[in-house]
Amino acid sequence: AQKITQTQPGMFVQEKEAVTLDCTYDTSDPSYGLFWYKQPSSGEMIFLIYQGSYDQQNATEGRYSLNFQKARKSANLVISASQLGDSAMYFCAMREGVSGGYQKVTFGTGTKLQVIP
Amino acid sequence: GAVVSQHPSRVICKSGTSVKIECRSLDFQATTMFWYRQFPKQSLMLMATSNEGSKATYEQGVEKDKFLINHASLTLSTLTVTSAHPEDSSFYICSAPEGNEQFFGPGTRLTVL
Repeated sequence: AQKITQTQPGMFVQEKEAVTLDCTYDTSDPSYGLFWYKQPSSGEMIFLIYQGSYDQQNATEGRYSLNFQKARKSANLVISASQLGDSAMYFCAMREGVSGGYQKVTFGTGTKLQVIP
Repeated sequence: GAVVSQHPSRVICKSGTSVKIECRSLDFQATTMFWYRQFPKQSLMLMATSNEGSKATYEQGVEKDKFLINHASLTLSTLTVTSAHPEDSSFYICSAPEGNEQFFGPGTRLTVL
């Protein structure tokens, strides 16, 4: 079964508007971490934001925020005030068993975001 | 944030040759590193977990004799693609955890002719 599901293969957003990229996950481990990464055409993976399963508040980093709904097992990324440079692939990822040491990170299939001027 | 480097960034080789890719954590120690492979327009697929001082752990379907991993020090892991074939052409990317974050190298684009 898919651990991380991203149902939007592609998204368009108008410059300066906000956009939400969806991510749902599946785990029975009570301790896990959720990540969002941006991958521009150059291929590098750029870390955006992290949410731990025990974190009480939603994570925020500048224009990025993570809408963490634990009961629904969703971790949507919200990008506010979109910029042309935000056009890229976005991957949601999960690391299970955080408390037991470094475990592998599994990735969703990604969402290609295109910002329209 | 922490920095992970990879070398080379791009390599083109003939079928049947072996290619070594290095992954270094520049400003932190990494007892664990991860190797991923990404085919065009696809997601990152974990190949193996590299552990300093012990054998690597390979994901199901990944041939350990073909993809040799050596984690000789706390800052260096190497992936050797042995007897490379055109189907091994891909983007190989390593990562290392530091705190809650997972830092990625810039990737190595391998093309096997």
